[in-house]
Amino acid sequence: AQRVTQPEKLLSVFKGAPVELKCNYSYSGSPELFWYVQYSRQRLQLLLRHISRESIKGFTADLNKGETSFHLKKPFAQEEDSAMYYCALLDAYGNNRLAFGKGNQVVVIP
Amino acid sequence: NAGVTQTPKFQVLKTGQSMTLQCAQDMNHEYMSWYRQDPGMGLRLIHYSVGAGITDQGEVPNGYNVSRSTTEDFPLRLLLAAPSQTSVYFCASSYTYQGNTGELFFGEGSRLTVL
Repeated sequence: AQRVTQPEKLLSVFKGAPVELKCNYSYSGSPELFWYVQYSRQRLQLLLRHISRESIKGFTADLNKGETSFHLKKPFAQEEDSAMYYCALLDAYGNNRLAFGKGNQVVVIP
Repeated sequence: NAGVTQTPKFQVLKTGQSMTLQCAQDMNHEYMSWYRQDPGMGLRLIHYSVGAGITDQGEVPNGYNVSRSTTEDFPLRLLLAAPSQTSVYFCASSYTYQGNTGELFFGEGSRLTVL
């Protein structure tokens, strides 16, 4: 069965410091991975997906099939990055259900 | 466009009561789903639907019932509420293209407390 693991629950970083959120997955096929974000008092929304290979709000995530990872990175954290971040894996064999990790709470300290 | 609309936003129930969480989307999305969000557990899929008249179970379906009579609506029913069902519930929808699910659009969430 597919699984998504986000090891840290809470990550505190100072403004301007780099931030990295770890995501590892297990999946038998070719994975399609996403990062979703939930800012305070806002809806959960898509941040980025690996097939787009784009940088959104300064965040990037590279799929590493050898390490089965999809870590989210930003070189310089901003206060507005404080939010809950979820890594998600599309289960193409299971009617395209999206399986989420347990989430990371990021707090950026001014 | 309203997007995904969930009602009610807050609800308190007593153990054994039943209720329905409503979800409606105006984006003509085929795919709709319900998740529950619990501290330390992340988002877990309860039920989902790939189109009108088609529903299926997710990870944690017990105690919940769904139906999909129209493309727009996907209500979640709690049959006999239990304290373990205290949670925040999210409805989400997506288009599908060639069998693949696109970006999930979420509702604002419904906070349910079962006493």
